[in-house]
Formats: sequence, structure tokens, C-alpha cells
Amino acid sequence: GAVVSQHPSWVICKSGTSVKIECRSLDFQATTMFWYRQFPKQSLMLMATSNEGSKATYEQGVEKDKFLINHASLTLSTLTVTSAHPEDSSFYICSAAPTGTGVNEQFFGPGTRLTVL
Amino acid sequence: AQSVTQPDIHITVSEGASLELRCNYSYGATPYLFWYVQSPGQGLQLLLKYFSGDTLVQGIKGFEAEFKRSQSSFNLRKPSVHWSDAAEYFCAACPNAGNNRKLIWGLGTSLAVNP
Repeated sequence: GAVVSQHPSWVICKSGTSVKIECRSLDFQATTMFWYRQFPKQSLMLMATSNEGSKATYEQGVEKDKFLINHASLTLSTLTVTSAHPEDSSFYICSAAPTGTGVNEQFFGPGTRLTVL
Repeated sequence: AQSVTQPDIHITVSEGASLELRCNYSYGATPYLFWYVQSPGQGLQLLLKYFSGDTLVQGIKGFEAEFKRSQSSFNLRKPSVHWSDAAEYFCAACPNAGNNRKLIWGLGTSLAVNP
């Protein structure tokens, strides 16, 4: 149980295009999902907290117009990198916190590696 | 400010040797504590967690961690390391009350295992 998937697992795109990454909780509902970014050999950097049915909460320094987050259902959150540039190349990881179970932990997706040419 | 510190950036041990990875936290109250492992190019896998109760926590893959309130520490241990344990290890914490599930992460410790 408590499986989180991400799609795609890797993506290569041209500079200036937009890329959408999906995060799904497969066997539980998640009111809250988190989006992280990880640079090589570094720790995870929280980008934003995604709440179902409401606007995401972005961390300081993260451009909300560049990284669009939509949490339209209790099992799906999407991150869209708009007008991607090479500096947006990174490993993006999502996690989901189960709703109403009292389980105080997050379950992580396998990550999406984005390369912007 | 809340923080999680992993003092060792990189550790190398010989296969079969014991391992201890350090983690210290700074929180207003005792947080929930986690250890995750990330193998190269892979996602994060939860090794173990501490919420309350017994301060010695058993996890997967033969790992354990001990919560020490007096030292604000949650060190990860393994009695005998295997080559497959080479990976990046992250300690993390989140508040133990309320709906805030936001994790505070350590910078990670990279573990290399010599044959």
C-alpha cells in the first residue's frame, strides 16, 4: 500500500516549451501533496505544498507563475514547468500525505528527471 | 529556526563493518523523525521513523535508529554494512502535532562501501 507514481519518469524538452509532470497516489487519498526539486548530489528542496481544491503554497524564491501546480483531485497533483530553460533541468520529486488516516508521514514518488535542451 | 543537521557529508566504510550516520535536529518540541535512503537515480525509500514510544526503532534492510532527546539526535546504525547499502541517506523531521506535514531535510550523507 501507499504507492505514489509519477509520470513521466524522465523527459527531455526544448527550451521555451512547457512540461507537465503528474503525481498520483494509487491506493490512498491525499489532500496534501508536496513538490520537491533535487539537484545532483544535493538534498531535496521543497518547492510547494499542493492542497486539493485550493491554491498551492509556494516556498520563498519559487516562482509560482513558472511552476504551476494543480491539485484537482484527492489522488492527482500536477506540476507544469512553463517556458522551460536549461536551468530548470533537475530531478523533480512529489510526495503525498494520506488524508484522514492519522498517518503522519509522506509517501514519495520515484521522481521525474527533466532535461531542458 | 527548525533544522536538521547531518554533520557527515561523506562516509566510507568497509563491507561488513558497522555504520553510524549522525542526525541532529533543532525543534521547539520533539518532532517526528525519519530516515530515507536514495540509491543513484532512484526515488526515496523510507528506512524507519520515530513518532513516540520506544526510542530504539527498527527499520528495513537491517537498519535501526536511536532517538536521544537529551542530545536532540536520531542516529542511524547498521551492525554490518553490505555493498548494496552504498547510497545517499537523508534524515528528516516534521512537527508532531497539527496538520503541518512539511518535512525539514538534512543535507544528506553519502555512503560508500569498500569491498
